[in-house]
Amino acid sequence: NAGVTQTPKFQVLKTGQSMTLQCAQDMNHEYMSWYRQDPGMGLRLIHYSVGAGITDQGEVPNGYNVSRSTTEDFPLRLLSAAPSQTSVYFCASSSFSRVRVRNEQFFGPGTRLTVL
Amino acid sequence: EDQVTQSPEALRLQEGESSSLNCSYTVSGLRGLFWYRQDPGKGPEFLFTLYSAGEEKEKERLKATLTKKESFLHITAPKPEDSATYLCAVRPRNTDKLIFGTGTRLQVFP
Repeated sequence: NAGVTQTPKFQVLKTGQSMTLQCAQDMNHEYMSWYRQDPGMGLRLIHYSVGAGITDQGEVPNGYNVSRSTTEDFPLRLLSAAPSQTSVYFCASSSFSRVRVRNEQFFGPGTRLTVL
Repeated sequence: EDQVTQSPEALRLQEGESSSLNCSYTVSGLRGLFWYRQDPGKGPEFLFTLYSAGEEKEKERLKATLTKKESFLHITAPKPEDSATYLCAVRPRNTDKLIFGTGTRLQVFP
């Protein structure tokens, strides 16, 4: 199993450009999520999905779009990049249940994005 | 408002010097508390899940405990390879989201 994979590893954009960060998992996990990590701010949830066709907003969703057409993939789209979106982006996945179960999240290696 | 606070922000220990990291939380009902380890340039790696006050989990030199207001990550006789940032996260009862603290950066020197 490859686990959670993210591409690209590094990306530099100019203000106003758009791009898609790719995330895939091969563990048949229902739950997938996107976080950004900034110095002193910790991990902040952008969007998440509890299954194919279902997405919801996290703490900092503005400027980002997501879709979940398959269980395996959960791409994050930046519509018009801004310098404030310079960050490290992590995708995570887990099994999903609303009762008391382990369902820890597995994280990808991250994408370092710089917006000039 | 659901909130997670970790302390200290940074901790330097000599090899073998035991200590504890703190994670204080305020949530509207706790479904689970998670500890992660993050090495520089990598994604967080899962360590423990705790569900109810009084629960304890152990893994090698690490031991996590949980009360109704906070969790501790105890590190016994740490080694340089334990150097990393340790993250705490909570899952409130009425949400599918995880809320992370800002982490404790641990350095263990020989």
